Amino acid sequence: KAGVTQTPRYLIKTRGQQVTLSCSPISGHRSVSWYQQTPGQGLQFLFEYFSETQRNKGNFPGRFSGRQFSNSRSEMNVSTLELGDSALYLCASSPTTGGAEAFFGQGTRLTVV
Amino acid sequence: EDQVTQSPEALRLQEGESSSLNCSYTVSGLRGLFWYRQDPGKGPEFLFTLYSAGEEKEKERLKATLTKKESFLHITAPKPEDSATYLCAVQEHAGNNRKLIWGLGTSLAVNP
Repeated sequence: KAGVTQTPRYLIKTRGQQVTLSCSPISGHRSVSWYQQTPGQGLQFLFEYFSETQRNKGNFPGRFSGRQFSNSRSEMNVSTLELGDSALYLCASSPTTGGAEAFFGQGTRLTVV
Repeated sequence: EDQVTQSPEALRLQEGESSSLNCSYTVSGLRGLFWYRQDPGKGPEFLFTLYSAGEEKEKERLKATLTKKESFLHITAPKPEDSATYLCAVQEHAGNNRKLIWGLGTSLAVNP
């Protein structure tokens, strides 16, 4: 059974640019959650999508957005990048909404210069 | 404010030296407490879910316990392959909002 796949693994962007990250969940899982992980703040919840609908949202500015497609694949977009957006972005999939027993991908390491 | 605090921040053990990691939390109503393991360069890997005080779960050398205010992850006779960062997260009863609140983790190093 294939795990959660995140692409790309590494990304370097310039301040002011925008970026799109992709996540393919485990087959059959309909919930995809996104997290930002930094050494100082730890894992912080961005949002959760279930069956193409955003079900939960964390406390991030509107520059952070996402969507989910009918095949459960999800994308996360960050516009007008700031230096502080440099982080590991993790995606987690679960068969049910709010499922905390989730399976994580390896993450996308975003560096903003 | 809902909060999850893990201690110690870092722990170094000799192989076979048992110890415990702590996760204390303040939430209005606990729906579940979760332990994850994270290896460098990888996403967290789910270990345990605990739902009510007094509950215990075991997996190989790991045992997780839960009280009303904290959880412990006991590591018995650890091996070098147990080296990782151990993360604790809580989910509270708050209507339809099921987001997790995460601790910063305990970085465990087990020396052979």
